[in-house]
Amino acid sequence: GQQLNQSPQSMFIQEGEDVSMNCTSSSIFNTWLWYKQDPGEGPVLLIALYKAGELTSNGRLTAQFGITRKDSFLNISASIPSDVGIYFCAGRTSGTYKYIFGTGTRLKVLA
Amino acid sequence: DAGITQSPRYKITETGRQVTLMCHQTWSHSYMFWYRQDLGHGLRLIYYSAAADITDKGEVPDGYVVSRSKTENFPLTLESATRSQTSVYFCASRVDREGETQYFGPGTRLLVL
Repeated sequence: GQQLNQSPQSMFIQEGEDVSMNCTSSSIFNTWLWYKQDPGEGPVLLIALYKAGELTSNGRLTAQFGITRKDSFLNISASIPSDVGIYFCAGRTSGTYKYIFGTGTRLKVLA
Repeated sequence: DAGITQSPRYKITETGRQVTLMCHQTWSHSYMFWYRQDLGHGLRLIYYSAAADITDKGEVPDGYVVSRSKTENFPLTLESATRSQTSVYFCASRVDREGETQYFGPGTRLLVL
């Protein structure tokens, strides 16, 4: 089946630093999504990408839809303590509502 | 309360027992989903539903049964629970034409002994 490899698996950063994470797929997606999950809660959508090469921002978050349509990237600028959580990428192929999720990047911010 | 709710929030059961996890949403969203979340696997889609009486398999449907007799409810049944079904289960819903936003419930933590 389709797999999404997400890296890094976890990262510890200092408050104020920028963060980068990425997601790669063995197959092409038409939609890439980035979610954040806080402890004990369900994931919340951060950014949705619909077109190869698309670059979209949401506050301090910026995500890109890779040209090959097999990868996506998320950057967080000037991290703050509330950025702590697990970030998931997810992909969807056109014509289906089956979302494939990555394994997550666990982010910890040191004040 | 408005939104999407799941019950129970925590459940302990024994191998071989039948367990039903409930999901209820108040928005009348067309699409509803069931995921399981396990360490090292992220979220994996079990089943989804496009409307009442329309359901389809996801990535890992074996051992699970769903039904959708009413738009607002989407129960997930483990017919004969196994230890490998110990997991956190999330229900989600979305509007057909509102982009990709799925609204997730708070999750049900299931332990199968």
